[in-house]
Amino acid sequence: AQSVTQLGSHVSVSEGALVLLRCNYSSSVPPYLFWYVQYPNQGLQLLLKYTSAATLVKGINGFEAEFKKSETSFHLTKPSAHMSDAAEYFCAVSEASAGSYQLTFGKGTKLSVIP
Amino acid sequence: DARVTQTPRHKVTEMGQEVTMRCQPILGHNTVFWYRQTMMQGLELLAYFRNRAPLDDSGMPKDRFSAEMPDATLATLKIQPSEPRDSAVYFCASGLQGRGYVSGANVLTFGAGSRLTVL
Repeated sequence: AQSVTQLGSHVSVSEGALVLLRCNYSSSVPPYLFWYVQYPNQGLQLLLKYTSAATLVKGINGFEAEFKKSETSFHLTKPSAHMSDAAEYFCAVSEASAGSYQLTFGKGTKLSVIP
Repeated sequence: DARVTQTPRHKVTEMGQEVTMRCQPILGHNTVFWYRQTMMQGLELLAYFRNRAPLDDSGMPKDRFSAEMPDATLATLKIQPSEPRDSAVYFCASGLQGRGYVSGANVLTFGAGSRLTVL
């Protein structure tokens, strides 16, 4: 069974400060890992994905995430927060084995950016 | 941009009424997912189709919920009878998955959601 834990349901950062959103996963097989972003009243959009290639993954809007197998983590970072980054962020895991491609999402972390 | 289209965007109904939500997946995608989002539970997977066949609907209350794909361009989620605890945002997502689709594997495109309020 696969699961995702996102530490912190709400994170606040100042504009220009580092953004760090934490995600730890549990998976019985090598996972695929994703970060999605949800803006108010919208669906989820893919930020970036890890599919067993490079462990440091770059996504859209200046975000990146690093897969650390030893720590079972896939934390999302951005060097400098922008007001437009305020949204809810979801980490997700998938076990692409035996034809199963279901995504399991974390509870989400709401990011606030303070001017 | 190709997009997943969901209707209705908003629905207010009374307890006991039937509710049908519709989803048009992206043309060519072979998988469709239905998720429910609430403040308390977050995103819950309700049902999952590949090539129009239901693969997993274990997350769906069977007594009142049903999901179907009458054809490749339409997925439906029906609640009958609806209850106040069904109030949530229901998302449809589609993707291209399976052996041979490594580069796009597991990437889902979400619709904007259907916000359901059951009074």
